[in-house]
Amino acid sequence: AQKITQTQPGMFVQEKEAVTLDCTYDTSDPSYGLFWYKQPSSGEMIFLIYQGSYDQQNATEGRYSLNFQKARKSANLVISASQLGDSAMYFCAMRVSNFGNEKLTFGTGTRLTIIP
Amino acid sequence: SQTIHQWPATLVQPVGSPLSLECTVEGTSNPNLYWYRQAAGRGLQLLFYSVGIGQISSEVPQNLSASRPQDRQFILSSKKLLLSDSGFYLCAWSKTGAFTDTQYFGPGTRLTVL
Repeated sequence: AQKITQTQPGMFVQEKEAVTLDCTYDTSDPSYGLFWYKQPSSGEMIFLIYQGSYDQQNATEGRYSLNFQKARKSANLVISASQLGDSAMYFCAMRVSNFGNEKLTFGTGTRLTIIP
Repeated sequence: SQTIHQWPATLVQPVGSPLSLECTVEGTSNPNLYWYRQAAGRGLQLLFYSVGIGQISSEVPQNLSASRPQDRQFILSSKKLLLSDSGFYLCAWSKTGAFTDTQYFGPGTRLTVL
């Protein structure tokens, strides 16, 4: 079974500072994908960034980067130069390669609040 | 580009009443489709997924059911709602079931059962 752990229920960060959101995962499958989603107060889940288990380099997408440490089974999201609009819930999720195992397994999320 | 729609956006229903939530995807063909539920302050739980018309897989036994009458239409139903069915229901799609494929979510339906 797969498991995602997000140990930070909430974080407060000053505007323009960088922020790291922690995510650790557990799976015995060697092939997996790791995803980060942002959920603003409106409720929609917005895809931010993806990292594959076989990717050699850390993923980056604009101000978002993923600090992937495979041996430690961690996939932390780094947001550079935070903005007020970054205030939201952030979810780490994982998908494995088993045929028929379609689901994304989600963590419990981290509520990020950017302070002006 | 692809777009995913859900309706209604919000719904308040009495216990024991029926339910029908609809999800449609535009701009792609033969997508994989998913229904998730999010309880207040928690992560998402997969309820159903579909890899094609009429093909439904259930992840969690409950009084909900799903159907896929058309390629890009996914419906979540219940004959009699329970209080525990309250939550935020999200539909998602992906190109395939591969672990590398991103799932993209719709705007969601907030269901309150009273």
